[in-house]
Amino acid sequence: EPEVTQTPSHQVTQMGQEVILRCVPISNHLYFYWYRQILGQKVEFLVSFYNNEISEKSEIFDDRFSVERPDGSNFTLKIRSTKLEDSAMYFCASKQGATYEQYFGPGTRLTVT
Amino acid sequence: GIQVEQSPPDLILQEGANSTLRCNFSDSVNNLQWFHQNPWGQLINLFYIPSGTKQNGRLSATTVATERYSLLYISSSQTTDSGVYFCAVYYGNNRLAFGKGNQVVVIP
Repeated sequence: EPEVTQTPSHQVTQMGQEVILRCVPISNHLYFYWYRQILGQKVEFLVSFYNNEISEKSEIFDDRFSVERPDGSNFTLKIRSTKLEDSAMYFCASKQGATYEQYFGPGTRLTVT
Repeated sequence: GIQVEQSPPDLILQEGANSTLRCNFSDSVNNLQWFHQNPWGQLINLFYIPSGTKQNGRLSATTVATERYSLLYISSSQTTDSGVYFCAVYYGNNRLAFGKGNQVVVIP
């Protein structure tokens, strides 16, 4: 069964550094999303992406965050000038255009020290 | 924004028991999903259920969209059912809004 994959599973970085989180959505999906979950809290929407542009973003997605689909398979989330409060699990999700169901990847745990 | 409330927040079950988890949402939604977050943090799709009832093995879900709630039933619980169950609703441009989850512990 096709699945969303994410790399790395765990990323440790120092405050102020840049990180890139990578996702490979399900191959025939057209809509892509990033969510985050701070430890012990609920999952929060960050951004949605369709047709090579951002469809919607939340207030969490400030100008340190960016997304890109550099080729036909990868979908990346870049965080510049990381802060301690960026520490969280980051989930990528994708969905096929014709349906609403989103499929989530296993997540990348980001730790900012 | 839309509010998603889940109850009970914590639940301890004896193996073999049945339980019902509830999700209330504050506004009309396009659709709804239930997830199980396992101990490794992975979000596993359980149900995609805008309305009506669906069943998958020992789990079933019912959504009554007009009354803005959904229920997840776990029957004959097993220790592998432990984890956090999230309800998430679709709104706006198909973003998902999650509840805080139901922490379920099944003891042998």
